[in-house]
Amino acid sequence: EIVLTQSPATLSLSPGERATLSCRASQSVSTYLAWYQHKPGQAPRLLIFDASNRATGIPARFSGSGSGTDFTLTISSLEPEDFALYYCQQRDNWPITFGQGTRLEIK
Amino acid sequence: QLQLQESGPGLVKSSETLSLTCTVSGGFINDKNYFWGWIRQAPGKGLESVGTIYYTGSTFHNHNASLASRVTMSVDTSKNQYSLQLSSATAADTAVYYCARFAGYCSSTNCYSFDSWGQGMLVTVSS
Repeated sequence: EIVLTQSPATLSLSPGERATLSCRASQSVSTYLAWYQHKPGQAPRLLIFDASNRATGIPARFSGSGSGTDFTLTISSLEPEDFALYYCQQRDNWPITFGQGTRLEIK
Repeated sequence: QLQLQESGPGLVKSSETLSLTCTVSGGFINDKNYFWGWIRQAPGKGLESVGTIYYTGSTFHNHNASLASRVTMSVDTSKNQYSLQLSSATAADTAVYYCARFAGYCSSTNCYSFDSWGQGMLVTVSS
């Protein structure tokens, strides 16, 4: 099983600041990595697929990068609605696995 | 637009079987490009993939052997539904359960990720 480790566990920032979230895989997943945003009481929302491609309707302030074992989700300028949980997910190999999440909270 | 809806008992007794169904509308469960998944989130925990099924009945289970050994998944293409059964439920299985569509291909719009989700259903396992 491929283990995904996200850091930091919690990130405290203010609106307008830049957020950088990390996801590290226990072995290479090529670029088969996705990022999701999850808010309480809602279904997770796909943000980024294939490491760097924005899903339909996702604002340009969200961007993804990386390949192999190290990946980054960047939010260029935080909006109030961006404060949420973020997860990475891989499917280079079955089973599908998720990272443990990063909580992005308002400072 | 694709919609997924979880249904089933919200309360299950410990040691009994947790059963959920996901009804898919606005699309076809026998679409060759997609798999169908179950993901859960226990209170205070992160997302966990329980398992994934293809319309042919092929399944892909969580690596956790204690979970995988209790999971049964099935597909009913005539009803456009798929189901999860988790036997010998314990309090540790208390979670919000989501069903979601997983793209089993790479294109300009998706690549090996869950692009549509149900709203989620809280299932509580009580002793």
